[in-house]
Amino acid sequence: RKEVEQDPGPFNVPEGATVAFNCTYSNSASQSFFWYRQDCRKEPKLLMSVYSSGNEDGRFTAQLNRASQYISLLIRDSKLSDSATYLCVVTNTGGFKTIFGAGTRLFVKA
Amino acid sequence: DAGVIQSPRHEVTEMGQEVTLRCKPISGHNSLFWYRQTMMRGLELLIYFNNNVPIDDSGMPEDRFSAKMPNASFSTLKIQPSEPRDSAVYFCASSPTPNGEDTQYFGPGTRLTVL
Repeated sequence: RKEVEQDPGPFNVPEGATVAFNCTYSNSASQSFFWYRQDCRKEPKLLMSVYSSGNEDGRFTAQLNRASQYISLLIRDSKLSDSATYLCVVTNTGGFKTIFGAGTRLFVKA
Repeated sequence: DAGVIQSPRHEVTEMGQEVTLRCKPISGHNSLFWYRQTMMRGLELLIYFNNNVPIDDSGMPEDRFSAKMPNASFSTLKIQPSEPRDSAVYFCASSPTPNGEDTQYFGPGTRLTVL
């Protein structure tokens, strides 16, 4: 079983749709959680950190469920510019290890 | 701030040749990471430095790979000898805090093709 698992997609949605991604992790000692965005042939960039209390940034909402060991990302009112790959990232402090999920591809269509 | 700088951006070489990838982290960042990204395996952490000291190199695939960080502003990843299966995009990232607990800032990557 992979340490961090994501649905690879692709998710094909129309503009204005709401789309949700989930990510599960296997190490219960994981400490830090992030969502990164990667555009085609570009480097990953931080989208948002994920806190236990959940956090929201405009159209984006991230949630953490430690009991079930998953994190989620919700995108409301999708824009064409949201088309990208979304990477779930988990950091295990004890092992100083950062693990990226394989990513979920999103295509937003006009 | 210039961000993380990597060179070269593209490298095409023949099997058996030595390849050296270079990285300049963001000034003041304590941690530096080397990643490899392929379609098959996704983004893999190869090695992580904290204050110029290698902390975790368990992701380095084999002895043909080596990484150094002689000072806070420069790191290299070397492959000797290179093989076609090393073809990938290699990213360097830096972070202001240890252990990857904070945001990692990625460079633009080096696209390596080994023929």
